[in-house]
Amino acid sequence: EAGVVQSPRYKIIEKKQPVAFWCNPISGHNTLYWYLQNLGQGPELLIRYENEEAVDDSQLPKDRFSAERLKGVDSTLKIQPAELGDSAVYLCASSLGGGPSNQETQYFGPGTRLLVL
Amino acid sequence: GQNIDQPTEMTATEGAIVQINCTYQTSGFNGLFWYQQHAGEAPTFLSYNVLDGLEEKGRFSSFLSRSKGYSYLLLKELQMKDSASYLCAVRDLRTGANNLFFGTGTRLTVIP
Repeated sequence: EAGVVQSPRYKIIEKKQPVAFWCNPISGHNTLYWYLQNLGQGPELLIRYENEEAVDDSQLPKDRFSAERLKGVDSTLKIQPAELGDSAVYLCASSLGGGPSNQETQYFGPGTRLLVL
Repeated sequence: GQNIDQPTEMTATEGAIVQINCTYQTSGFNGLFWYQQHAGEAPTFLSYNVLDGLEEKGRFSSFLSRSKGYSYLLLKELQMKDSASYLCAVRDLRTGANNLFFGTGTRLTVIP
C-alpha cells in the first residue's frame, strides 16, 4: 500500500516568490493535515481537512498561506509571497477519519524541504 | 496550551536499553503517540497509549500515567539504526478532535 506522497521533495526559491506543495494522502483516508517542522523542533499543525472541508486552520498564517483540497483527496499548500522565515520542512499527514474515540493514527509523508533565499 | 517536555538529546550503547521520558500538561487529554523520525525522513508511528499502563511492541514499549502526565518510550536491545529523533505527541480534544501536539523530540544517538 502506498504511503503519503508529497512533491517536490526539495524547493529553493528567492524571497517574495510564490511556492506550492502537493500532497496525495493514503487511499481511503478522509482526514489530511499540513504541518510545518523547523529544524530541531516537532511538527506544528497548520491546517486540518475532513474530506474537502478545512475544519481547523487556526494556525495557518492566512495573509500569505493558503490551502485547498477540492475533491477531498489531493491537497495543495501555497505560500505567496515567501519570506526567509518560511524555510522549513512542510509535512503532510493523513488518517482514516472516524472521530476521537478511535485510535486516529496519523501517517506522514516525507515532506517538502523549503529553502527561501 | 500544551506543555510537552522531553530531553533534547540522549546517547546509549548498542545492545543496551534506553528510556525516553515525556511529560505533558493538557486538560483534554485523549491519547499519547510516539513517533520515530530519522534525519530528513517522515515521522513514523511507533506506539499509542490512551489508558494507563505499558504497551509492548517488539523491542519498543511505551508507558503512560495519566494522573502524572507522564509517558516513556523504552527501547531494548538497541541497534545502530535506532539512532533517530523520537517525538512524543499528545492528542487534545479541547482544540480539535484529532489534533496532535508534538514535543521538540529527543535525538537518540546509539554508539558501538
